[in-house]
Amino acid sequence: SQTIHQWPATLVQPVGSPLSLECTVEGTSNPNLYWYRQAAGRGLQLLFYSVGIGQISSEVPQNLSASRPQDRQFILSSKKLLLSDSGFYLCAWSPPAPYQPQHFGDGTRLSIL
Amino acid sequence: AQKVTQAQTEISVVEKEDVTLDCVYETRDTTYYLFWYKQPPSGELVFLIRRNSFDEQNEISGRYSWNFQKSTSSFNFTITASQVVDSAVYFCALLYSSASKIIFGSGTRLSIRP
Repeated sequence: SQTIHQWPATLVQPVGSPLSLECTVEGTSNPNLYWYRQAAGRGLQLLFYSVGIGQISSEVPQNLSASRPQDRQFILSSKKLLLSDSGFYLCAWSPPAPYQPQHFGDGTRLSIL
Repeated sequence: AQKVTQAQTEISVVEKEDVTLDCVYETRDTTYYLFWYKQPPSGELVFLIRRNSFDEQNEISGRYSWNFQKSTSSFNFTITASQVVDSAVYFCALLYSSASKIIFGSGTRLSIRP
């Protein structure tokens, strides 16, 4: 069966520091991969999605970036974090076929001080 | 425009009551899929159901049921005999034929009081 791993679970970072969140999927090949952000008490905002290695689509211009160095690995990065980057970050995957549901990781709670 | 509206921001009911969460969607596509997700306090999103636009049959899974009506562009979710463990934020979502990503509603926070 397929599983998705996302780490770390929580992270506290100072303003201006770099960020790297990692997500890996097991048990499937060529998944679609997604990064979402959820501000406290708010809905989900799609940040990036990827349909293959090296293929990244950005939904919202910001100081975050994403990379997919391997088929089942998706990384969310920033060179300098802002206070507004605080939130709950969720990674998700879906099979490489039309109309498939997305399956989510456990999320990372990021607090910027 | 493609859009999902969950007008109920928060609902609070007493345990064992039935509760319905509303979802209204907009899309110009004739082929689309609708989803419901549950987000418990722990944070992860749990996939509950997927429905395609050509299947208007209602679905029941235990205490959960879903009512899909294309005439009103609605995909409502009912929990029968609610339990405290049903407390969560519930998201309705739309995936339409020309997109590779899901559009989520803003969510409904459901609180079940003992």
